[in-house]
Amino acid sequence: NAGVTQTPKFQVLKTGQSMTLQCAQDMNHEYMSWYRQDPGMGLRLIHYSVGAGITDQGEVPNGYNVSRSTTEDFPLRLLSAAPSQTSVYFCASRILDSLNTEAFFGQGTRLTVV
Amino acid sequence: AQSVTQPDIHITVSEGASLELRCNYSYGATPYLFWYVQSPGQGLQLLLKYFSGDTLVQGIKGFEAEFKRSQSSFNLRKPSVHWSDAAEYFCAVGAPGGGADGLTFGKGTHLIIQP
Repeated sequence: NAGVTQTPKFQVLKTGQSMTLQCAQDMNHEYMSWYRQDPGMGLRLIHYSVGAGITDQGEVPNGYNVSRSTTEDFPLRLLSAAPSQTSVYFCASRILDSLNTEAFFGQGTRLTVV
Repeated sequence: AQSVTQPDIHITVSEGASLELRCNYSYGATPYLFWYVQSPGQGLQLLLKYFSGDTLVQGIKGFEAEFKRSQSSFNLRKPSVHWSDAAEYFCAVGAPGGGADGLTFGKGTHLIIQP
């Protein structure tokens, strides 16, 4: 029962570097999303996808890109990291047809940009 | 737009005491409401959810929550807390109808358990 798997768990980047946070789910969920968690801010939606080939912006999309080439994978790309992107990132997935279904979360990626 | 307010940033209770965590939401219709718990260094785990029917919902780990439409609230309760309940608790609201929007989370309440 893998559920939602995020890699890496920890990452330190220098300002201006690029990287991709990986997210994979094995539950055949159509809906996948990325959140960032900052102290005192709760979780804020970055991007989401309702299926392969379809992505859209959430509340805080600037500085992040996503793609959804398969149902299973939803990577989050930082093209030029900034200290403001220091955060804990969570990927989540759920069945699309109704929001009364549970969203499953990965364990998170703690990113520090120096 | 929907929003969630958790007015208590930190709450400290003694082990064995009762607990109530507050959550108020703003949404134009009946929302889907959730409580998640996050243990240190972990992801989020669903405690319970409400989308229709009985306004008192039971969840895992002995938690319950009551939906009060007149107060736009969805407070989480537990009659007797255990030290293992120390964690961050998030209330969240979602738009019904299978909308593509993600969940909107409150800022969280940090629960501290005193021995």
